Amino acid sequence: DTGVSQDPRHKITKRGQNVTFRCDPISEHNRLYWYRQTLGQGPEFLTYFQNEAQLEKSRLLSDRFSAERPKGSFSTLEIQRTEQGDSAMYLCASSLSQGVNEQFFGPGTRLTVL
Amino acid sequence: GQSLEQPSEVTAVEGAIVQINCTYQTSGFYGLSWYQQHDGGAPTFLSYNALDGLEETGRFSSFLSRSDSYGYLLLQELQMKDSASYFCAVEDAGKSTFGDGTTLTVKP
Repeated sequence: DTGVSQDPRHKITKRGQNVTFRCDPISEHNRLYWYRQTLGQGPEFLTYFQNEAQLEKSRLLSDRFSAERPKGSFSTLEIQRTEQGDSAMYLCASSLSQGVNEQFFGPGTRLTVL
Repeated sequence: GQSLEQPSEVTAVEGAIVQINCTYQTSGFYGLSWYQQHDGGAPTFLSYNALDGLEETGRFSSFLSRSDSYGYLLLQELQMKDSASYFCAVEDAGKSTFGDGTTLTVKP
């Protein structure tokens, strides 16, 4: 257990539905990342926050994806109008902004879109 | 953009030494990280190199040559529990770009 938690751990949804995932980082970490990982691939960067500011969002990400970190603590990732291609493991990680960018990953949310 | 290349699979025997290479092409570069991921688990941080040279942490060492855009992870005294996927990742101003990983299989 790294101290980063994600909820839910598994989500099955039908195509076209909206889903929302939550990530609670290590409390003193000011950076929070979202990644997507599919089988046989490395984690694919989606977006990251420093405190409550969203500093970068992948150009690969469509407008259906949005993330928030309203008080600089937990974060949510919403996917609207889900598609079968969105099926993946969604990973959250947190780190400190100073020194080595050692990221601590949560257990992930596995999304299956039927 | 960023692109990273690492071998897809490596096999070695228990007690041996194995080297996993990583080459990268990047528009920005702060350093190179390495992560380990067991099947069904989340990635865990192993090491980070910002400057050229070797960093040693127990049985694991990591090397970086910025001029060659090249790094490697060296695993010594391999154990069965080292069977996992290993990812190199380029760090650039807070953003991390991961390679597709190298699956290491350790045989008895």
